[in-house]
Amino acid sequence: GENVEQHPSTLSVQEGDSAVIKCTYSDSASNYFPWYKQELGKGPQLIIDIRSNVGEKKDQRIAVTLNKTAKHFSLHITETQPEDSAVYFCAASMAPYNQGGKLIFGQGTELSVKP
Amino acid sequence: KAGVTQTPRYLIKTRGQQVTLSCSPISGHRSVSWYQQTPGQGLQFLFEYFSETQRNKGNFPGRFSGRQFSNSRSEMNVSTLELGDSALYLCASSQGVGRVAFFGQGTRLTVV
Repeated sequence: GENVEQHPSTLSVQEGDSAVIKCTYSDSASNYFPWYKQELGKGPQLIIDIRSNVGEKKDQRIAVTLNKTAKHFSLHITETQPEDSAVYFCAASMAPYNQGGKLIFGQGTELSVKP
Repeated sequence: KAGVTQTPRYLIKTRGQQVTLSCSPISGHRSVSWYQQTPGQGLQFLFEYFSETQRNKGNFPGRFSGRQFSNSRSEMNVSTLELGDSALYLCASSQGVGRVAFFGQGTRLTVV
C-alpha cells in the first residue's frame, strides 16, 4: 500500500548548521510532496511543497529536492535558528487524481536547534 | 483571512459515548479533509469532502463519519468511543480537491 518513510526520527544541530530530512515514498503515482512544521500545541504548518514536474524548489533558508527515479525527496534547512526547532513531516499525494487530496505522511522528525 | 477553525479545542469523553467535532475552513475553500494524529500511528487520513460530497475515505471503521455543509463547514462524528480513539483530530482546508492544504489547530480528544 501507500507508504512514506521519513528519516531521521530525531535530529539535533547547532545553531547556524544545516539540517537535512529525507523521505522515501512507495507509490510511483505520487505527484505532490508538501512539508509541514508542527510546533507544540499547534496544527501542522505548510512550509514548502514541490510537484513532480520540478526537481528542486527553494524559499529563503528552506529547500526541497525530489528524485522521482529513486522515489525520494529531502528537506534542507540552512543557517538553522532556535525557532526552527519543531517536528517536521513530509507527505505525498496523488492529487488531483482518484486519490484526491489524501496526504500520506511520514512519521515525523523532531528537530532541535541548540543555541 | 482567518485560518482554519476547529472547535472545541479540547474534549474529554467516556467510552461508549459519541462525539462531534467541527471545522470551519478558510473563506473560499471548498475542500475539507480530516486527519487523526497519535504518537503511535502518526498522521492518518480519515476522509475528504468537497461540495458536500465525500471524495475519499481512509482505513477507519464505520464509527468514524463526517459531513460537509453548503457553506463548506464540516463535522466529523465518532460513535461508540474507544480508548484508542484518544488523539488530536486535525482538519485541513483547501481551495479544491488536491490543492494545497492548510491545517487547523486540532481538537484534542481524550477518551476515559
